[in-house]
Amino acid sequence: GIQVEQSPPDLILQEGANSTLRCNFSDSVNNLQWFHQNPWGQLINLFYIPSGTKQNGRLSATTVATERYSLLYISSSQTTDSGVYFCAVGDGGATNKLIFGTGTLLAVQP
Amino acid sequence: DTEVTQTPKHLVMGMTNKKSLKCEQHMGHRAMYWYKQKAKKPPELMFVYSYEKLSINESVPSRFSPECPNSSLLNLHLHALQPEDSALYLCASSHIFGSGANVLTFGAGSRLTVL
Repeated sequence: GIQVEQSPPDLILQEGANSTLRCNFSDSVNNLQWFHQNPWGQLINLFYIPSGTKQNGRLSATTVATERYSLLYISSSQTTDSGVYFCAVGDGGATNKLIFGTGTLLAVQP
Repeated sequence: DTEVTQTPKHLVMGMTNKKSLKCEQHMGHRAMYWYKQKAKKPPELMFVYSYEKLSINESVPSRFSPECPNSSLLNLHLHALQPEDSALYLCASSHIFGSGANVLTFGAGSRLTVL
């Protein structure tokens, strides 16, 4: 099955810093989503981005489908950005199930 | 506020108890999902309902029994669970299932502890 790896596994930032999170996947995909899981467990959908670039406020994402990776950029980080960031990709099968990556744990310190 | 509502937020049960987790959405979505998440791990798919029919069962033990009474409701019935079943159970919904464009909306989760 498709493999989804994220890097780095852990990241500590000072408030105001910028960061880039990476998601590599082992096969072509037609569905890629980025999620933020806050410390209480709530998963929030940040982007649906199977290809191209999107921006939403301080967050932006780019997927280069031909090279099988996606990047999530966080600018001017805030303590509320802390949590785990997951990318999830459709497995391309008949049901196109979403497979979650390994996650990046982000801690933003004041 | 999340548009997918899960109850209860926390549940503690013994191995002989029968309990249920509930999930509700009013976005008109026709696909609903149960995921299980252990600490420091990504969510793992358990079940998918599409148009109120079970589409996927990821070889989940029979002590977990899903039910989709209508397009807005999804239940997970729990019976004779084991301590290793303690986890965060997440419900999600999407417009449709099986398409490359199914974007998931998650509930806040139900944190289950089995004693």
